[in-house]
Amino acid sequence: QSVLTQSSSASASLGSSVKLTCTLSSVHTSYIIAWHQQQPGKAPRYLLKLQASGTYYKGSGVPDRFSGSSSGADRYLTISNLQSEDEADYYCETWDNHNRVFGGGTKLTVL
Amino acid sequence: QVLLVQSGAEVKKPGASVKVSCKASGYTFTGYYIHWVRQAPGQGFEWLGWINPNSGVTNYAQKFQGRVTMTRDTSINTAYMELSSLRSDDTAIYYCGRVYVGWGIELWGQGTLVTVSS
Repeated sequence: QSVLTQSSSASASLGSSVKLTCTLSSVHTSYIIAWHQQQPGKAPRYLLKLQASGTYYKGSGVPDRFSGSSSGADRYLTISNLQSEDEADYYCETWDNHNRVFGGGTKLTVL
Repeated sequence: QVLLVQSGAEVKKPGASVKVSCKASGYTFTGYYIHWVRQAPGQGFEWLGWINPNSGVTNYAQKFQGRVTMTRDTSINTAYMELSSLRSDDTAIYYCGRVYVGWGIELWGQGTLVTVSS
């Protein structure tokens, strides 16, 4: 069982909202994660850190349209009022004292 | 401006080594760990390890033990990642990232493409 599982793709219309999911494995359900955005051909960009409680901490300059929430083993990234520049790959990341792992990423298409 | 600036693209032959640099600016270099992550073409991310710039202590992913060496030079706020015995499947973009204890990678370098080809 992978530590982090993400759907490979998602799509939503311009101006709408989308909720992306990152699921932690059964032994990692309390873990903190981070969400990153990678636009085509660019380096990743940190979006937010998300705790099991649902408390999240956004990176500098990240628009208010991006938010995080949690439920059990699931960690969510919600993007509101979708813009064309939100079309990107989204990755979750988690860590412990010795290792750091990433989910396989979700490719978001803005219709 | 808070930045991590990496060295330029490299082309190496199988069996060679590559050393990538990551220069920090705009913050206290010794206050954050530097992690190294790579992304093969069209693939996701793979973590290589970290270095504590303050102490020089390192921690490497098991997969890369014996092949990767991370160092730093605090006089010029620069971290380095050297990967040896290169193979074609080491072809990837290598990123450095800044991490505060207990956080994710919250600042990324621009990436360095390493191509391994005979």
